[in-house]
Amino acid sequence: DARVTQTPRHKVTEMGQEVTMRCQPILGHNTVFWYRQTMMQGLELLAYFRNRAPLDDSGMPKDRFSAEMPDATLATLKIQPSEPRDSAVYFCASGLFSGTQYNEQFFGPGTRLTVL
Amino acid sequence: SQQGEEDPQALSIQEGENATMNCSYKTSINNLQWYRQNSGRGLVHLILIRSNEREKHSGRLRVTLDTSKKSSSLLITASRAADTASYFCATLSYQAGTALIFGKGTTLSVSS
Repeated sequence: DARVTQTPRHKVTEMGQEVTMRCQPILGHNTVFWYRQTMMQGLELLAYFRNRAPLDDSGMPKDRFSAEMPDATLATLKIQPSEPRDSAVYFCASGLFSGTQYNEQFFGPGTRLTVL
Repeated sequence: SQQGEEDPQALSIQEGENATMNCSYKTSINNLQWYRQNSGRGLVHLILIRSNEREKHSGRLRVTLDTSKKSSSLLITASRAADTASYFCATLSYQAGTALIFGKGTTLSVSS
């Protein structure tokens, strides 16, 4: 049963600390997305990759957030330094884009981040 | 920025009733998708409708798309308590890139 996995599921940290979230997309999917969900803003697209290359990271605060795909099985989202306003649930999703067709995204369970 | 906006924001119904949620969007799209999110979980894809389709069914779900009005509706028939969740519409527009843009969702509560 293929699924997107994310680690850690929960993270509590203090302001100023570095936070790294990891995602393993579904094997064979060529597109990976990072979203952030809060009550106030809803689901926001932070960044996404196709074939490991970043396509759009305009939703990400550049000074403190960074996203990478070291290889096809791992995507990372890093916050350094973290701030209380970063507290949210961070979702990774993956999908297959064929060039002419794009279907559904598959979401991971999320990382619930609390920055004190 | 959100492309889709769901209406209503919250909906409470009794088991067995039908639930209708609406989504409006701003720019032309290639497809529109509906997702469900149970509390504390990730989103789950429900149904996709392409811009050249007007209606689609999947089990108890019926989705319509009116591209002239830039709107879609999701109908859940004979609702069950297990349908309690948040429902999101998401639009894909190749003009805007190839990432889904999500609305803020409708929270559905089905009481038994």
